[in-house]
Order: sequence, then structure tokens, then C-alpha cells
Amino acid sequence: GENVEQHPSTLSVQEGDSAVIKCTYSDSASNYFPWYKQELGKGPQLIIDIRSNVGEKKDQRIAVTLNKTAKHFSLHITETQPEDSAVYFCAASNQYNNNDMRFGAGTRLTVKP
Amino acid sequence: GAVVSQHPSRVICKSGTSVKIECRSLDFQATTMFWYRQFPKQSLMLMATSNEGSKATYEQGVEKDKFLINHASLTLSTLTVTSAHPEDSSFYICSASALAGGGNEQFFGPGTRLTVL
Repeated sequence: GENVEQHPSTLSVQEGDSAVIKCTYSDSASNYFPWYKQELGKGPQLIIDIRSNVGEKKDQRIAVTLNKTAKHFSLHITETQPEDSAVYFCAASNQYNNNDMRFGAGTRLTVKP
Repeated sequence: GAVVSQHPSRVICKSGTSVKIECRSLDFQATTMFWYRQFPKQSLMLMATSNEGSKATYEQGVEKDKFLINHASLTLSTLTVTSAHPEDSSFYICSASALAGGGNEQFFGPGTRLTVL
């Protein structure tokens, strides 16, 4: 089955700096890679996703890159703000396998004002 | 965007009682719903996958007789924790997916915090 690893587990940056979170996956059949932001006591919220037919996607301050050959993908947050502080989870799934989604262990991002 | 609700948001119960958690997709038809469990400071662990009108598929190690899942309609799935014990205390989160639409995005509910005394 799929195994997703995520690094780092914690990340602290100064407001305005960039933050990068990296994930690797094991199943070459995975074709959908979402990123979720989870605030304390709440459910995860989808912030950006990428499919295996593209290498990069950007949405304002957030971007995701995918390297299918190396089986890794990364989340990039630029111009970080204190409200970006949360736990971020990467995930990988195969839409042809009942959408079975596996999550990374999470990264606790702290943006210091 | 797609909205998924959960009810209740928080429940405290005595050991041995059963607790039902509802998960609803409010503005789309969810052909598949997922139930996750999350312990403090840990990742989401998939418990089971349910497709409307059929029996749920449980992950290895999840007791189907303890965690009863019913996906009665395209907008509602329920998880019943039967004979709850303190070790069942956790944050339970559902998600919904409209696979029939071609995408495999999962939209998550706000979660239900279960505390068993």
C-alpha cells in the first residue's frame, strides 16, 4: 500500500519568510496529491492540490511542485503570515483505487510575528 | 466550495454507551464517504470507506462490529461507536468525495471530539 512521509515535523519561520514542506510517496500509481491545513480543533481544509499530469501549481502565496520520477512533492508558502500557523498534511491517493488516501504525519508550522 | 458538516461537534458519554456521529454533504452528492480517527498531535488514520447503498470497507485492525457505518443516502453517512470505552476517546473526522464527478477531492467535516468517561 501507499506510504507517505512528510518533513519536517515542525517548522518555525519569521513573518514574511517562506516555508517549504516536503513529502515523499511510495506507490507509483498514486495520481492525486492534496495539501490540507488543519487548525486546532477543526477538520482539515484543502488548500491546494496537484495531479500527476502537471509538475507545478500555484495559487497566490501557495504553490505545490511534483516530481513523479523521484516520487516527491512539496508545498511552498511565500510571504508567510501569522494566520498561516497551523498543521499541514500532505496526502496521496489513486483515484482508480476507490480514492484511498494516505496522509503524511503532518507539519506544525509556526509563523512568528 | 463543497461543504461537509458533522454532528455533534463534541460528545461526552459514559463507558458502555453507544454514540452516533452524523456526516452530511450539504451541497453535493457524495458517492463515497470516509471516516478517520485522529489522536492528539497525530495524523489522520483511515478507519473505513463507505459507498452509498453498500457495506463499508474497513481498514485492517478496525472492528466493524464496534464502529458501525451506515451510508444510507448520497448526503448522509453515520458512524456509531458501540459500547464505547475510554480508549475510544478521539477526534473523529469524516470526509466526502463525489467520485462520479470525475474528481477525487475529499472534503472534510469539522470533526467530532468524543470523550468516554
